[in-house]
Amino acid sequence: GIQVEQSPPDLILQEGANSTLRCNFSDSVNNLQWFHQNPWGQLINLFYIPSGTKQNGRLSATTVATERYSLLYISSSQTTDSGVYFCAALEMSGANNLFFGTGTRLTVIP
Amino acid sequence: DTGVSQNPRHKITKRGQNVTFRCDPISEHNRLYWYRQTLGQGPEFLTYFQNEAQLEKSRLLSDRFSAERPKGSFSTLEIQRTEQGDSAMYLCASSLVASGGYEQYFGPGTRLTVT
Repeated sequence: GIQVEQSPPDLILQEGANSTLRCNFSDSVNNLQWFHQNPWGQLINLFYIPSGTKQNGRLSATTVATERYSLLYISSSQTTDSGVYFCAALEMSGANNLFFGTGTRLTVIP
Repeated sequence: DTGVSQNPRHKITKRGQNVTFRCDPISEHNRLYWYRQTLGQGPEFLTYFQNEAQLEKSRLLSDRFSAERPKGSFSTLEIQRTEQGDSAMYLCASSLVASGGYEQYFGPGTRLTVT
């Protein structure tokens, strides 16, 4: 299956700061999703972005499929942004399931 | 659209007991997936259904695990003779696979603790 790597593994920010999370994947993808996992374990869909750029409020994401990476930008971070961010990819040929990275744990301090 | 629901949310059981979890997908979604997540890791795929047919199973799905999706609606995941290593969060997801659509939506999960 496809390999998904996320960086950094941990990130601590002051409230109001901006951040960039990176996801590298090893093969061509049909699907690339970003999730935020809340403290209760629920995976919240942030972006479905197999290619291109999308924005949703303070969050935006860009996937460069030809170079096999995706970036998640968080601007003006808030304490409620804390949690684990996962990138997951569905490879173009082969398995039909999402392969997840190990996540980036974000802590926003007031 | 009420989202994906899972029951129970938490389950504590003794080693050797059987447990069953239920997942109700988003209505009209034709694919349903089960994943397992252990502490500090990302979710790992277990199995998926397209309508009522179970099309793929991971090597993580030992013969103590069985999943069903009768009539292509809700799904159940049963673990027989539970072991401490089965302690994890079990996540269900669904998607509507049409032309170009692969986005998966996850339920809140069932947290299993085997004592």
